[in-house]
Amino acid sequence: GESVGLHLPTLSVQEGDNSIINCAYSNSASDYFIWYKQESGKGPQFIIDIRSNMDKRQGQRVTVLLNKTVKHLSLQIAATQPGDSAVYFCAETSGAGNMLTFGGGTRLMVKP
Amino acid sequence: DAMVIQNPRYQVTQFGKPVTLSCSQTLNHNVMYWYQQKSSQAPKLLFHYYDKDFNNEADTPDNFQSRRPNTSFCFLDIRSPGLGDAAMYLCATSRGSYNEQFFGPGTRLTVL
Repeated sequence: GESVGLHLPTLSVQEGDNSIINCAYSNSASDYFIWYKQESGKGPQFIIDIRSNMDKRQGQRVTVLLNKTVKHLSLQIAATQPGDSAVYFCAETSGAGNMLTFGGGTRLMVKP
Repeated sequence: DAMVIQNPRYQVTQFGKPVTLSCSQTLNHNVMYWYQQKSSQAPKLLFHYYDKDFNNEADTPDNFQSRRPNTSFCFLDIRSPGLGDAAMYLCATSRGSYNEQFFGPGTRLTVL
């Protein structure tokens, strides 16, 4: 059968609070970053992206921050809702821009 | 709605019995990808097609092959599935480089 996977780090927040999910990357040549949300049994869903010439980008209730100096990416979710409960992956790409490398993922649990 | 479709959603095969997973898209994207995702792990890129050009990841086993007969369809062939190949297989598409990848719902493969 399937090999046993690693336990995902889990962030547990109260409904209505803000959530911050962090991601570290190692490739200093990475120049395009994406956050994906994956609900159980579904494929990853695009949330927001950012290019390396920016350090902040905002969407609806979400903000991505990029710190290239320390190779760190974060996703901020404002007023977290139960529907935000999922696994969140950061992904990066460089060079040809086709090949995404995914980070390990963080499970977000929203308590009502 | 334009989308990425994967069939079947669940596939059971026997050890060593060849299996084919299919992906179709109505987005008219020129790049199509196949990922393997094991439990509690991030998706791992197996290969991708940029138009008709096939790009294999260095560590993708020879057991995995792919075909893209036209823009809309892409197939993943597993020639001799082993127990370690049990996983979720995700298909994704994108419009060229440095653009978000749209994922299908995945096919969960069980190997008996």
